[in-house]
This record gives sequence, C-alpha cells and structure tokens, in this order.
Amino acid sequence: NAGVTQTPKFQVLKTGQSMTLQCAQDMNHNSMYWYRQDPGMGLRLIYYSASEGTTDKGEVPNGYNVSRLNKREFSLRLESAAPSQTSVYFCASTETGDPDEQYFGPGTRLTVT
Amino acid sequence: EDQVTQSPEALRLQEGESSSLNCSYTVSGLRGLFWYRQDPGKGPEFLFTLYSAGEEKEKERLKATLTKKESFLHITAPKPEDSATYLCAVQATTSGTYKYIFGTGTRLKVLA
Repeated sequence: NAGVTQTPKFQVLKTGQSMTLQCAQDMNHNSMYWYRQDPGMGLRLIYYSASEGTTDKGEVPNGYNVSRLNKREFSLRLESAAPSQTSVYFCASTETGDPDEQYFGPGTRLTVT
Repeated sequence: EDQVTQSPEALRLQEGESSSLNCSYTVSGLRGLFWYRQDPGKGPEFLFTLYSAGEEKEKERLKATLTKKESFLHITAPKPEDSATYLCAVQATTSGTYKYIFGTGTRLKVLA
C-alpha cells in the first residue's frame, strides 16, 4: 500500500500561471481533504470531499478549485496563481470522517514568484 | 470561535528528560482529539485519537491524555529519534457539518 500519494513534490510558478496538484489514495477511504501549511499558521483546510461526488469549502477556499475524480483521486487546481499561495500543500484521507484519523500525503511545496 | 492552542512552541530536552506538551481547545461539539507527529519535509503521521475526558492512550514512550479543556502528550525518557513537530487537532461539528482544526504544533528537539 502506497497510502496517500501527491504529485508533484515541488513546483515553481509565475504569478498568473495555473496548475493542478494531484492526490490519490489506495486505502479505499471515503473522505479526502486538501490543506495548506504555512509557518506559524498550522494546517488550514482548503476543500474537502466527504464522499465520491461531493465537495465542500473549508476555511480558505478562495483561489482554488477541486475535483473528486473518483473514489481514489482528489485534485486541487490553482487557476491564476498568486504569491500568497506560496505554501506547502497536503492531501489527506479518512475512512469515514466521523470522527476519524487522517492519513496524509508527503506534500507539495509550491512557490509562486 | 473554535480554537486550538499548543504550548510550548518549541522544547529542547536532554535524552531521558521526561516532559509534557499541551494542547488546549475551545470548540463546540467536540467529536475527537488527534495527535500527529510531523518530521521535516514530510506529512503528519497519526499517533492517537481521544474521544472523551479521562481517556488515555499509550504508544512506546508517548502517552496522551484528555480533559474537558485540554490534552497532554507526555514523553517519557525521550530519545533523539523522538525529535519532531507534534501537532494537535480536534474534530468538531458546526451546523451539522464536521471540521478539523489544527494547532500550530510544538517543535521538540531531543539532544543526545
């Protein structure tokens, strides 16, 4: 089992460029999450998907879109990157979400110049 | 406002010197409290879930406890390999939906 995988590991974008962060899990989990982690801020929820076919906004959704492609995959898209989106992005999954421990991917370090 | 606060921000211990990390929370509708370990450049790794006041969980040199207002992560006779950032998170329900709230973590350094 690979657990939760994320691609890419690192990315540098120029302001205004777009990109999609990919996340996949092989644990047959129902719920998936996207977080960003910034120094001194803790992990903040961007979007989550409680089950296949549903997505909901988290604490900081502005500037992002998500797609729950199937039960395994949950992608995060930045349509027009801004320097404020420089961060480390983590994808996570839980079996049910109520309540449930989260399993995290290794993260994507994104720099927007 | 729902909030999770961890203290201290950073802690340096000598190998074998026991100590405790604190996680205080103010949330409505607590469903569970979680402890994670995060190594540099990696994603958080799950350690414990606590559901109700009075509950305790243990794993090797780590013991987590929960009261109605806070949780402690006790580290007994730590080793250098215990050096990491320890994150606390709570799952709460608001208006019928649930959410996870993370603290900013305690950076632990254990010196040989």
